Amino acid sequence: GENVEQHPSTLSVQEGDSAVIKCTYSDSASNYFPWYKQELGKRPQLIIDIRSNVGEKKDQRIAVTLNKTAKHFSLHITETQPEDSAVYFCAASKGSGYALNFGKGTSLLVTP
Amino acid sequence: DAGVIQSPRHEVTEMGQEVTLRCKPISGHDYLFWYRQTMMRGLELLIYFNNNVPIDDSGMPEDRFSAKMPNASFSTLKIQPSEPRDSAVYFCASTKAPNTGELFFGEGSRLTVL
Repeated sequence: GENVEQHPSTLSVQEGDSAVIKCTYSDSASNYFPWYKQELGKRPQLIIDIRSNVGEKKDQRIAVTLNKTAKHFSLHITETQPEDSAVYFCAASKGSGYALNFGKGTSLLVTP
Repeated sequence: DAGVIQSPRHEVTEMGQEVTLRCKPISGHDYLFWYRQTMMRGLELLIYFNNNVPIDDSGMPEDRFSAKMPNASFSTLKIQPSEPRDSAVYFCASTKAPNTGELFFGEGSRLTVL
C-alpha cells in the first residue's frame, strides 16, 4: 500500500519565523494530498489540500507545494504564531474510493 | 449536523476484557474510517467502509479486532480480548468522498488497557 514518510518529527521555531514540513509518498498513482492539524487533545482537522494537477496552493500564511516527479510535497507556514503549535499530518490518496494514508506527524512548537 | 459522534470518550479496562467502540458518522457521508493513533505509529488506518460495506481491512492488527457497519448511521470497532498494546486513541471519521473533500473526525475514544 501507500507509504507516506514525514519529516521532521518535531520542529521548534520562534514566533514570526517560517516552518516547513516535508512528506514523501511511494505510490505514483496518488493524486490528492491534504494536510491536517491536530491541537492537543483535539481531533485532526483539514487545513489545506492540493491535487496532482496543481504545483502550489496558498491560503493566507499556509502554502503547500507538490513535486510529482520526486513524489514529495511540503507544508510552509510563514509568520508563525503560538497558536500554530500543534501536530501536523500529511496524507496521500490515490483516487476515488481509496482511503487517506497519513504520515506519522510533525509536532510543531512556536515559542513567543 | 453534530459531526461525527464517538463513544465512549474514555475507556479503561483490564487485559482480556472485550472493548466496543461506537461511531455515528455525519448523515449523507458514504465513507466511514477507523483510525488508531499512537505516539509511535501516528494515525494508522484500520478499516474503512463504503455504503456500509468493508472495503479494506488490511490495517486491522489481528483477529482480535473486528468492525461492523450494520447501517449508514452506526459502526462499531470491537477488540476481544484486549491487550495493553491496544492502548491508543481510536478515531472514527467520515466523508462523502475520501479524495475530493475533507475527512471529518470524531473526538476520538481513548482506550487504556491495564
